[in-house]
Amino acid sequence: GENVEQHPSTLSVQEGDSAVIKCTYSDSASNYFPWYKQELGKGPQLIIDIRSNVGEKKDQRIAVTLNKTAKHFSLHITETQPEDSAVYFCAALSRGYGQNFVFGPGTRLSVLP
Amino acid sequence: DSGVTQTPKHLITATGQRVTLRCSPRSGDLSVYWYQQSLDQGLQFLIHYYNGEERAKGNILERFSAQQFPDLHSELNLSSLELGDSALYFCASSLHPGQGGTGELFFGEGSRLTVL
Repeated sequence: GENVEQHPSTLSVQEGDSAVIKCTYSDSASNYFPWYKQELGKGPQLIIDIRSNVGEKKDQRIAVTLNKTAKHFSLHITETQPEDSAVYFCAALSRGYGQNFVFGPGTRLSVLP
Repeated sequence: DSGVTQTPKHLITATGQRVTLRCSPRSGDLSVYWYQQSLDQGLQFLIHYYNGEERAKGNILERFSAQQFPDLHSELNLSSLELGDSALYFCASSLHPGQGGTGELFFGEGSRLTVL
């Protein structure tokens, strides 16, 4: 089955700096890669996603890149703000929609003012 | 607000007991997923239902079971509870691509189970 690894497990950055979180997956059939943000006491919320026919996607300060050959994808947050502090999870979906999302172990991002 | 409702929000019980967690998906979503999140851990996939039928199973213990009812709400039953079952249990729903969905999961706020 699919296995998703995520690094680093914790990340501290100064406000205004960039943050990068990297994930690798094992199932070459995976075709959808979302990123979720979980704030304290809340459920995860989708912040950006990318599909296997796209190499990069941007949404304001957030971007995701995908390298299908190497089976890895990354989240980039620029101009970080204190409200970006949260736990971020990457995920991979294989074998068609809605069957089984496998999540990475998460990255705790702290943005220091 | 994701539109997914989970009850109860908090539950404290003793070892050996049985509990039921309930999830109401977003209006129109046919898929319901259950995840377990232990302290400072990731999201472990338990089970996925689509329109009342089980679609995929993760590392769900035999002591755990789930079902999705005709009105699409879902229940996760946890029995013979152990200390290690203490965790946050999340339900998520999604709209199937055949219904015009993108695959996005919408999570509830979770049910925090404490086993003493």
